[in-house]
Amino acid sequence: DAGVTQSPTHLIKTRGQQVTLRCSPKSGHDTVSWYQQALGQGPQFIFQYYEEEERQRGNFPDRFSGHQFPNYSSELNVNALLLGDSALYLCASSLGSYNEQFFGPGTRLTVL
Amino acid sequence: GENVEQHPSTLSVQEGDSAVIKCTYSDSASNYFPWYKQELGKRPQLIIDIRSNVGEKKDQRIAVTLNKTAKHFSLHITETQPEDSAVYFCAASRDTGTASKLTFGTGTRLQVTL
Repeated sequence: DAGVTQSPTHLIKTRGQQVTLRCSPKSGHDTVSWYQQALGQGPQFIFQYYEEEERQRGNFPDRFSGHQFPNYSSELNVNALLLGDSALYLCASSLGSYNEQFFGPGTRLTVL
Repeated sequence: GENVEQHPSTLSVQEGDSAVIKCTYSDSASNYFPWYKQELGKRPQLIIDIRSNVGEKKDQRIAVTLNKTAKHFSLHITETQPEDSAVYFCAASRDTGTASKLTFGTGTRLQVTL
């Protein structure tokens, strides 16, 4: 039983560029949440997707957008990258909103 | 919105001793409180969680207690081992039935020394 997977593992971009990160949820899970974890800090909630709709959003600008596909996988898009966007981006999946969230290994994004 | 405070930021204990990490939350409607362990360069891993209808939960050497009146919850690790060394995060969530974001504390770096 595969757990949560994310791609790519690492990514280096320059300011102003756009990036797309991908997440495949744990088998049987239908809800995907995205978090940003800066170095030395706790994960910060970006948004959560269920039934292909954004259900809840954290305090992130519109440069951060997402999508969920019919197979429950998800993408996180960030436009007009800033140096401050450098972080570990974590995807977590769950069965519905009421159950525990399991995290993927993350994508380390570096913006130069 | 929800705010979660976590203390201490660092904790050093000798092998075999107990470790306690405390968190407070601000949203009285929060009803789910998980704890995650994150080793260096790894993903956060759920180690134990508790819901608001329960006051205490135990799983082998790990236990969590919840005081809804005071809005605080704690992680207790007994008989600590070197492999317990990691950063521990508490989190709080208010499940609305359609969405449930986790609000994390700032983390506690636990070091277990021989």
